[in-house]
Amino acid sequence: DAGVTQSPTHLIKTRGQQVTLRCSPISGHKSVSWYQQVLGQGPQFIFQYYEKEERGRGNFPDRFSARQFPNYSSELNVNALLLGDSALYLCASSLRTEVIEKLFFGSGTQLSVL
Amino acid sequence: GNSVTQMEGPVTLSEEAFLTINCTYTATGYPSLFWYVQYPGEGLQLLLKATKADDKGSNKGFEATYRKETTSFHLEKGSVQVSDSAVYFCALASLGRLYFGRGTQLTVWP
Repeated sequence: DAGVTQSPTHLIKTRGQQVTLRCSPISGHKSVSWYQQVLGQGPQFIFQYYEKEERGRGNFPDRFSARQFPNYSSELNVNALLLGDSALYLCASSLRTEVIEKLFFGSGTQLSVL
Repeated sequence: GNSVTQMEGPVTLSEEAFLTINCTYTATGYPSLFWYVQYPGEGLQLLLKATKADDKGSNKGFEATYRKETTSFHLEKGSVQVSDSAVYFCALASLGRLYFGRGTQLTVWP
C-alpha cells in the first residue's frame, strides 16, 4: 500500500501570494493532520480533520485554512504568505483521530517564501 | 500546558558508542510518549512509544522508559551505527495531537 503522499514536494512563492498544499492519506485512513516544521524546530500542529470535519486547530492565524474531501484527501491553504511561513509542511494520517499511536507522516512539502 | 524539552544538539559520536538523548515533558494527565526519527529529505518515522508509566518502548536497538516521577523519556542505544545518523524528536500526545521537542541532530562517524 502507498504511504501518505504529499504534493508538491517543493514550492517557491513570494510574499503576499497564496499557496495550496495537497495530501493523500493511506488507504482506509479517515483522519488527516497537518504540521508545520520550521528549520531547526520540531513540528507544530496546525489542523486535524476527520470525516471532513475540523476536529482540532493549533495556534495559527486565520490565513491558514484546510479542508478534507469525501475521499479523505486534504488541502492546506495559506493566504497572504509571509517570510515566516517558509517551512516543511507535513501531513499525517491515521484510522481515527484518537489512534495517534499509529500516525503515519508523509515526506512533506518544502515551502520557501521569498 | 503541554510541552517537551529535549537536550540541545548536535550530538556527534563514533560508531559503537553509547547514545543518550534526554527528554522531559510537561503535561496534564498521563500522555503517551514517542520518539520519532527524521532522515535527511524524509518525513517523520515512529521509532518507539510508551503509553503508560514504567512502560519501556524499544525498536532497532533503541530504548526509552516512561518515568512518571521524573517526567522523562530518555532515548538510549548501546552501540550506534553510521546509519543511525538522523534527527530525533521526542513527542507527547494529547487530545489527538502531538507536541514535539526541538529535535536532536545525531551524527555517527565510522
